[in-house]
Amino acid sequence: EPEVTQTPSHQVTQMGQEVILRCVPISNHLYFYWYRQILGQKVEFLVSFYNNEISEKSEIFDDQFSVERPDGSNFTLKIRSTKLEDSAMYFCASRKGQGNTEAFFGQGTRLTVV
Amino acid sequence: AQKVTQAQTEISVVEKEDVTLDCVYETRDTTYYLFWYKQPPSGELVFLIRRNSFDEQNEISGRYSWNFQKSTSSFNFTITASQVVESAVYFCALSEARGGSNYKLTFGKGTLLTVNP
Repeated sequence: EPEVTQTPSHQVTQMGQEVILRCVPISNHLYFYWYRQILGQKVEFLVSFYNNEISEKSEIFDDQFSVERPDGSNFTLKIRSTKLEDSAMYFCASRKGQGNTEAFFGQGTRLTVV
Repeated sequence: AQKVTQAQTEISVVEKEDVTLDCVYETRDTTYYLFWYKQPPSGELVFLIRRNSFDEQNEISGRYSWNFQKSTSSFNFTITASQVVESAVYFCALSEARGGSNYKLTFGKGTLLTVNP
C-alpha cells in the first residue's frame, strides 16, 4: 500500500543551524502538508502546498520556515536557524485531492534542537 | 475559528472492557469533515475514519463505532472489548470542506488510552 515516507526519523541539530526535513508523498497526491507536534501536545498545522506554491500557512510558519518541492517527488521543510522551541515531531501529509479529504501522514521526523 | 475539545486527557481500562473517547467540536462552517486518528507509541498518525457533516449515521467497523451527533457537536469513538495493542493516543480532528478548501486539520489535544492486561 502506498505510504508517505519521511527522512530522517530523528534529527539532532545545534541551535542556530539550518535543518531540512524530507518527505516523499504518495505519488498521485496533489496536496501536501506539514504539521508539528511538540512533545505531549496536540498536532498543529504549519503549511499546505498545492500546485507548487503555498496555499495556506499558520502563524507558526514564520520567515524561518520554507517549503519546497524540488523535483516532483520530494517535499521538504527547511528551518533556517533553529531554536530550542522548534524541537518537535514534524509530520508530512499528503492528500489526493479532487474531493478526497483524507490526509495520509508519514511516520514523522523527531527534531531535537540542542 | 475551528476548535476540537477532547476533555479526557487519559483513560485507563482493563482488557475486554468497552471504552468511549469523547470529542466535541466547534465550527462556523455548515459543511465540514470529522476524523479520528490513532498515534501508537511508535509515533506515526494512523487514519481511522472520516465523517461528512451531512451524514449523521453512526458507523461501525468491527469493534469500533463512531457516534456523530450534530445537535451536541460531538463525534465520539467507542472501542468494544478493548485490547492491549490498542493502547495509544487517539486524536479527533476537524476540517473545513467549503470550495477551495485546503482541508487542513484542526486537532484536539488527544486522549491517551491505556489498556491493561
